[in-house]
Amino acid sequence: DTEVTQTPKHLVMGMTNKKSLKCEQHMGHRAMYWYKQKAKKPPELMFVYSYEKLSINESVPSRFSPECPNSSLLNLHLHALQPEDSALYLCASSLSGTSVSEQYFGPGTRLTVT
Amino acid sequence: GESVGLHLPTLSVQEGDNSIINCAYSNSASDYFIWYKQESGKGPQFIIDIRSNMDKRQGQRVTVLLNKTVKHLSLQIAATQPGDSAVYFCAENTGNAGNMLTFGGGTRLMVKP
Repeated sequence: DTEVTQTPKHLVMGMTNKKSLKCEQHMGHRAMYWYKQKAKKPPELMFVYSYEKLSINESVPSRFSPECPNSSLLNLHLHALQPEDSALYLCASSLSGTSVSEQYFGPGTRLTVT
Repeated sequence: GESVGLHLPTLSVQEGDNSIINCAYSNSASDYFIWYKQESGKGPQFIIDIRSNMDKRQGQRVTVLLNKTVKHLSLQIAATQPGDSAVYFCAENTGNAGNMLTFGGGTRLMVKP
């Protein structure tokens, strides 16, 4: 299984809603990542989990809250988002978070905040 | 209307021709580079990688060239096909903070049949 899966594919939420994005991989990878991608822009790193511990938070607002329940799962909890948070949210995984290696990306969740 | 900053550089090639996509990276300490392909509505897909101790690496129909002197990376696609149409991103890893990638701005490749 060489796939990173993400659910849901699309999400529309109001500014007062609470929702969660989910990501799963079964490749035995020990690092997982959240990226945000705006239209016609490159992915921007938000969070890195290495061995189920948050190792990097790229100054992301607290309305985004990551969670790594186990080595295969990564969640992103969303609360009180703003319309400018509308974007494609990508999850990725890699063999290690401490040494360089290829990151495998999921298909993303297209988020619209109304 | 158009907005500043919403344009991707575009390379338009004829089917069957070779394509060269260029990338300038910023950090001379970067030691690992990846090219990703992103089709509309999909996540980035790994194409090929190269470490800084190499100048060239070849895959199936793709070649990556690394020029550390001028901090330049290129992706060559041989016999470009319509299925190669996508946005291509280079990414660099400085090696200082684990496996963190910084992506370049991207180039849209359009293949004309």
